[in-house]
Amino acid sequence: GQNIDQPTEMTATEGAIVQINCTYQTSGFNGLFWYQQHAGEAPTFLSYNVLDGLEEKGRFSSFLSRSKGYSYLLLKELQMKDSASYLCAVRAAGNKLTFGGGTRVLVKP
Amino acid sequence: DSGVTQTPKHLITATGQRVTLRCSPRSGDLSVYWYQQSLDQGLQFLIQYYNGEERAKGNILERFSAQQFPDLHSELNLSSLELGDSALYFCASSDPRGYTFGSGTRLTVV
Repeated sequence: GQNIDQPTEMTATEGAIVQINCTYQTSGFNGLFWYQQHAGEAPTFLSYNVLDGLEEKGRFSSFLSRSKGYSYLLLKELQMKDSASYLCAVRAAGNKLTFGGGTRVLVKP
Repeated sequence: DSGVTQTPKHLITATGQRVTLRCSPRSGDLSVYWYQQSLDQGLQFLIQYYNGEERAKGNILERFSAQQFPDLHSELNLSSLELGDSALYFCASSDPRGYTFGSGTRLTVV
């Protein structure tokens, strides 16, 4: 089976940086995804890592270490609209994604 | 618009009743995945269909069933509803970089 852990909640100040960690245990790893989800809305794709290293996309970056079963999502220059839940998901065989419980990020002025 | 269409957006029904949620994947996508998200919880995988056939099953209750039709739309049937079934239900299509989700159906059981 798969096990994905991420913190439940984080608080940060507008303009700051926040790092959301995700650890996972899985067989047949085939990619790690980060999604953003505002309350009551559908998750939207943020980033994808399948090889070790850092992927940067604007204010958001994601890092993967397959040997450590570890990823993080880095959010820079935080804005109020970044207040949302951030979901870490692992893809194994068959394209099925298994999601972590999500990390609720609260951005304060 | 993600291209994945779910109806209805909201559904309120009584305990013991039966409802059907509908999903149309993006044009050309053969896969449909169903997920349940209870309040402040993560996304729980229910079931996957591919080109009309069941491909994978998660922790889906026996009271729940699904099917995918020849036109590739899918329906999730929930019966003998309980208060704990109140949740957001999402369907998704897959692509090489993950999922595209529909906007979800919010089910409230009263």
